[in-house]
Amino acid sequence: AQKITQTQPGMFVQEKEAVTLDCTYDTSDPSYGLFWYKQPSSGEMIFLIYQGSYDQQNATEGRYSLNFQKARKSANLVISASQLGDSAMYFCAMREPYTGTASKLTFGTGTRLQVTL
Amino acid sequence: NAGVMQNPRHLVRRRGQEARLRCSPMKGHSHVYWYRQLPEEGLKFMVYLQKENIIDESGMPKERFSAEFPKEGPSILRIQQVVRGDSAAYFCASSPEGEETQYFGPGTRLLVL
Repeated sequence: AQKITQTQPGMFVQEKEAVTLDCTYDTSDPSYGLFWYKQPSSGEMIFLIYQGSYDQQNATEGRYSLNFQKARKSANLVISASQLGDSAMYFCAMREPYTGTASKLTFGTGTRLQVTL
Repeated sequence: NAGVMQNPRHLVRRRGQEARLRCSPMKGHSHVYWYRQLPEEGLKFMVYLQKENIIDESGMPKERFSAEFPKEGPSILRIQQVVRGDSAAYFCASSPEGEETQYFGPGTRLLVL
């Protein structure tokens, strides 16, 4: 069974600082995908970044980067130059191994990030 | 290009009534997923559909819940005889053929009184 673990229920960061949100995963399959989503207080789920298990380089999208350490089974999200609008819940998720049919996502419990002045 | 649309955004039902949640995927997306989020929890997978087919319903409760994605029209998640424990946010996501990323709709918040 797959499992995603986010051990930080809440994090604080000062505006303009960088912050790392932790995510570890457990799977025995060699093929998988890792995702981060942001859920602001308004409730929608916003896709941030994706890392495939065979990708050689860490994924980056603007101020978001994914620190992918395959041997440690970790996929931490790094947000650089935090902004007040980054205050939200952040969810790490993993795609089921691709079998040609199911590709559901398994989510962690989330980390609530609060950006302060 | 419109995103994933869900309606209604908020739905209030009394115990025993039926709830119908609708999801229109992004244009060109043929894969639809439904997830449920209980308060203060992460999202839990319910069902994965392609046009006219249920591909994986391993996360669906065995009773009262059903889903469809007809050839024409939106995907529907139907909950019969709702109970208080069904109160949650229900999210729909879609993805195009051959792409990993799932794009989520704004969710439907169901409240059962």
